Amino acid sequence: QVHLVDSGGGVVQPGRSLRLSCAASGFTFRSYDMHWVRQAPGKGLEWVALISYDGTDKYYADSVKGRFTISRDNSKNTLYLQMNSLRAEDTAVYYCARDGGGADYWGQGTLVTVSS
Amino acid sequence: EIVMTQSPATLSVSPGERATLSCRASQSVSSNLAWYQQKPGQAPRLLISGASTRATGVPARFSGSGSGTEFTLTINSLQSEDFAIYYCQQYNNWPLTFGGGTKVEIK
Repeated sequence: QVHLVDSGGGVVQPGRSLRLSCAASGFTFRSYDMHWVRQAPGKGLEWVALISYDGTDKYYADSVKGRFTISRDNSKNTLYLQMNSLRAEDTAVYYCARDGGGADYWGQGTLVTVSS
Repeated sequence: EIVMTQSPATLSVSPGERATLSCRASQSVSSNLAWYQQKPGQAPRLLISGASTRATGVPARFSGSGSGTEFTLTINSLQSEDFAIYYCQQYNNWPLTFGGGTKVEIK
């Protein structure tokens, strides 16, 4: 069955960087577009980024454009989110999700806390 | 950016009753609208895509309708496991956007 495992979260100081990973299994990873979605503590969902199945197309929320980079390694069935110049308002649980007309499968999430 | 507005923010319903949740888009999103359910401490779960197509394994008591700018999620005969927060999301235009959510609570 489809399985997505998010990792890489932690506590980081403002202005620093962090890279999240999402390990995929149970489906043909290279055939699907993939999302990152985040949720600040006690808040709603915010879409962050999407990468096309082959990595050629990438789309970002305005709030992260120029600071975050989505990428993938189809040989390793892994999705990444490189987060630079982190701010306090980036504090959230980050989920990876598979695109299937909406996000049809989700990882368990990884918590990123930006604090000095 | 398309703004998605959900109403009401909180809906109090008794078990066995029907819940009707609304989602409005600031401009047309055609039928490119999804609904998600989220329970505390869990990742969201896709319920509906294409405005009205139930995802795999979603019970028939969940139904979606609408197109353009007005959408509805109906939950018939609410079960205890249905008390949760529900989000709509448009995937017609970049950036993708979510509504603020509707919390369905026990009356």
